[in-house]
Amino acid sequence: QKEVEQNSGPLSVPEGAIASLNCTYSDRVSQSFFWYRQYSGKSPELIMSIYSNGDKEDGRFTAQLNKASQYVSLLIRDSQPSDSATYLCAVRGSSYKLIFGSGTRLLVRP
Amino acid sequence: EAGVAQSPRYKIIEKRQSVAFWCNPISGHATLYWYQQILGQGPKLLIQFQNNGVVDDSQLPKDRFSAERLKGVDSTLKIQPAKLEDSAVYLCASSSPRGADTQYFGPGTRLTVL
Repeated sequence: QKEVEQNSGPLSVPEGAIASLNCTYSDRVSQSFFWYRQYSGKSPELIMSIYSNGDKEDGRFTAQLNKASQYVSLLIRDSQPSDSATYLCAVRGSSYKLIFGSGTRLLVRP
Repeated sequence: EAGVAQSPRYKIIEKRQSVAFWCNPISGHATLYWYQQILGQGPKLLIQFQNNGVVDDSQLPKDRFSAERLKGVDSTLKIQPAKLEDSAVYLCASSSPRGADTQYFGPGTRLTVL
């Protein structure tokens, strides 16, 4: 079992729709969760962090965390073509280092 | 504020050759990370420095990879000898003591081993 699992996609949504990206993790003692965006050929950029159960909103982005289910998600409202990228879920677990998933590729169709 | 600098941006070598990558973190960032990102995968931590001390190198293939951060600022990652499976993007990141959860990544070095 991978430590952090994501569907590789691509997830294709029309412009203006809500994109929902999901991630599960295996380390039950994980405390910190992050979403990074990575454009093709570029380096990862942190867009959201979440530490407690529930929702955290920042502009068009909402991160959701459910520690009991070991599940974290990212919702992107009013998706734009410029949101097309790979979204990496990262978890800081008992080892204190960031463990990244393989990423979900999002395509927003104009 | 200048970002994380890395060089070279691209490198092509043949297997069994050696290669070195350089990273200069954001000024004042005490923590420096080297990641390996193979195509289609997420970054994997190779080594983490706090100032010039190693915090974690558990996933560094020490028979061929080495890294140093002698003065607690810039860092060098070396591979000797390179294997085909070392083809990847090598990312350097840094974080500050007060914002340890925010890692800022450099542009990366794309290594191709033929």
